[in-house]
Amino acid sequence: NAGVTQTPKFRILKIGQSMTLQCAQDMNHNYMYWYRQDPGMGLKLIYYSVGAGITDKGEVPNGYNVSRSTTEDFPLRLELAAPSQTSVYFCASSYKPDSTEAFFGQGTRLTVV
Amino acid sequence: QKEVEQDPGPLSVPEGAIVSLNCTYSNSAFQYFMWYRQYSRKGPELLMYTYSSGNKEDGRFTAQVDKSSKYISLFIRDSQPSDSATYLCAIQLDQGAQKLVFGQGTRLTINP
Repeated sequence: NAGVTQTPKFRILKIGQSMTLQCAQDMNHNYMYWYRQDPGMGLKLIYYSVGAGITDKGEVPNGYNVSRSTTEDFPLRLELAAPSQTSVYFCASSYKPDSTEAFFGQGTRLTVV
Repeated sequence: QKEVEQDPGPLSVPEGAIVSLNCTYSNSAFQYFMWYRQYSRKGPELLMYTYSSGNKEDGRFTAQVDKSSKYISLFIRDSQPSDSATYLCAIQLDQGAQKLVFGQGTRLTINP
């Protein structure tokens, strides 16, 4: 059972470039989330989804976009990368909406230079 | 004022010590309280979860919530080197809400 799989693990982007962070889960969870973790700042919610075709903004959505065409996949798109988007990105999924059973992926370390 | 405040540490204690990790929060409407453990270069994993004031025990771990003081704690008894990790408190407004507010995390090292 793979759980939540994120790719890539590491990436360096130049300012203005775009990329998609991939997230896939094999637990048939309806709820999926994207967080970013900056040093000493905890995790902040970027976007979340309550099911295929339904997404909503979290606390820090600016500069990001998401889509949810299937239950399994929840990609995060960065358009026009900026140094402020240098962070570690975590995808999570849960069966229940209260996130108490949330499972996190291993993270993607992104550096924008 | 931040919604959740957590001392970032780092905290270093000898093996076998009792560890106390703490968070304070500002919004009295918060109802669900969680502790996550995050090993270096890994994703967070849920350690404990409670929704009421009082204590909850799970093996060597005890989570304590004091809603009147807006204060939550995690105690680790008989600490082990394998407990070395970053511990994050997380608080949720209510069961239906999707927003989980995290503390900054406390980096803990248990020295053999």
